[in-house]
Amino acid sequence: DSGVTQTPKHLITATGQRVTLRCSPRSGDLSVYWYQQSLDQGLQFLIQYYNGEERAKGNILERFSAQQFPDLHSELNLSSLELGDSALYFCASSPAGTPRYNEQFFGPGTRLTVL
Amino acid sequence: QKEVEQDPGPLSVPEGAIVSLNCTYSNSAFQYFMWYRQYSRKGPELLMYTYSSGNKEDGRFTAQVDKSSKYISLFIRDSQPSDSATYLCAMRANSGNTPLVFGKGTRLSVIA
Repeated sequence: DSGVTQTPKHLITATGQRVTLRCSPRSGDLSVYWYQQSLDQGLQFLIQYYNGEERAKGNILERFSAQQFPDLHSELNLSSLELGDSALYFCASSPAGTPRYNEQFFGPGTRLTVL
Repeated sequence: QKEVEQDPGPLSVPEGAIVSLNCTYSNSAFQYFMWYRQYSRKGPELLMYTYSSGNKEDGRFTAQVDKSSKYISLFIRDSQPSDSATYLCAMRANSGNTPLVFGKGTRLSVIA
């Protein structure tokens, strides 16, 4: 158990809908990362937050957004869902400071199925 | 050319074998190199983490980085059925908030 929690574990929804994925980082970790994992693309970095502020952005679609709250939990919002958004979504957290910044601890993931 | 290339396998070995897993990369700015293990339906778990070139050993696992060849390896000695998983390499540059770039993973099966 990495200490990172994610809810829900599974989500089944229809095209055009909007969903929210939630992540709680390990105690004391200030950084939260979101990743999408699909069979053909592998693990793709979406976005990073550090202590409530956006730090880095990857291949995140405009239909997707995220935020980190004062208690450091984070939410990833996916809207106007398409079939191709079906994937595993992982949240990871890391401690502050180099080089521990490189040690990312992953949650169990949310499996999203868009029908 | 993808930034990080990793043979997807699957790789099947008998119990007790030495396993060699590899990644190549194209970005010479990468300085930090990691190996993650991912069991089916689970999140990736950090196994090894090295900075720049050289070797690092942890129990049955050894990570090697050859920056001149842009090649990293993970060796697993005395492999066990419990080592059956997908192994992902990941790396990042040493500047700013550059994200981790992952290989697609190699699926390993250790047969008892």
